[in-house]
Amino acid sequence: GAVVSQHPSWVICKSGTSVKIECRSLDFQATTMFWYRQFPKQSLMLMATSNEGSKATYEQGVEKDKFLINHASLTLSTLTVTSAHPEDSSFYICSALSGGAWYEQYFGPGTRLTVT
Amino acid sequence: SQQGEEDPQALSIQEGENATMNCSYKTSINNLQWYRQNSGRGLVHLILIRSNEREKHSGRLRVTLDTSKKSSSLLITASRAADTASYFCATANFGNEKLTFGTGTRLTIIP
Repeated sequence: GAVVSQHPSWVICKSGTSVKIECRSLDFQATTMFWYRQFPKQSLMLMATSNEGSKATYEQGVEKDKFLINHASLTLSTLTVTSAHPEDSSFYICSALSGGAWYEQYFGPGTRLTVT
Repeated sequence: SQQGEEDPQALSIQEGENATMNCSYKTSINNLQWYRQNSGRGLVHLILIRSNEREKHSGRLRVTLDTSKKSSSLLITASRAADTASYFCATANFGNEKLTFGTGTRLTIIP
């Protein structure tokens, strides 16, 4: 149980376009999901906390107008990278709280974004 | 958020040897967790240790926590080639679900 999926697993887009990444909790409901960003050979940096039915909470330094987060249901959160630039190329990982112990996060497999 | 630091940044050992990774953090925590990440993949949760625990075991994994030194260690015994991965510690503060990840250790097991 407690499986989180992401789609797509990798995407290539042209500079200036927008791309949407989906994060789904497959067998549980998640009122809270998190979005992380990871550059090659570096650690995960939390971008934002996504709460179902409310606005996301962004970490300091993360542009909320560039990284749009929508958590419209208890099993789906989406991250849209708007007007993508090559520097947005990264590995994006989501996680979801299972609703059990408050600290039990389950991670998705990640999405590799390459902006050309 | 302030990241913790892990050392070493990279570690290569022969298969069968033990691997030890260390993690230091800066603030008071509720728990500390260790994750494994294979190249280009998501994270796999390995073990969680609470702030009132000093040591925990899970299979070939042994985790220690010293809250006075704000440090933790992960020991993998009898390493296998499949253990090759990056290992991250992550801390959670009291009443806060957000995780703060350490810088990670890249472990390579040489067959």
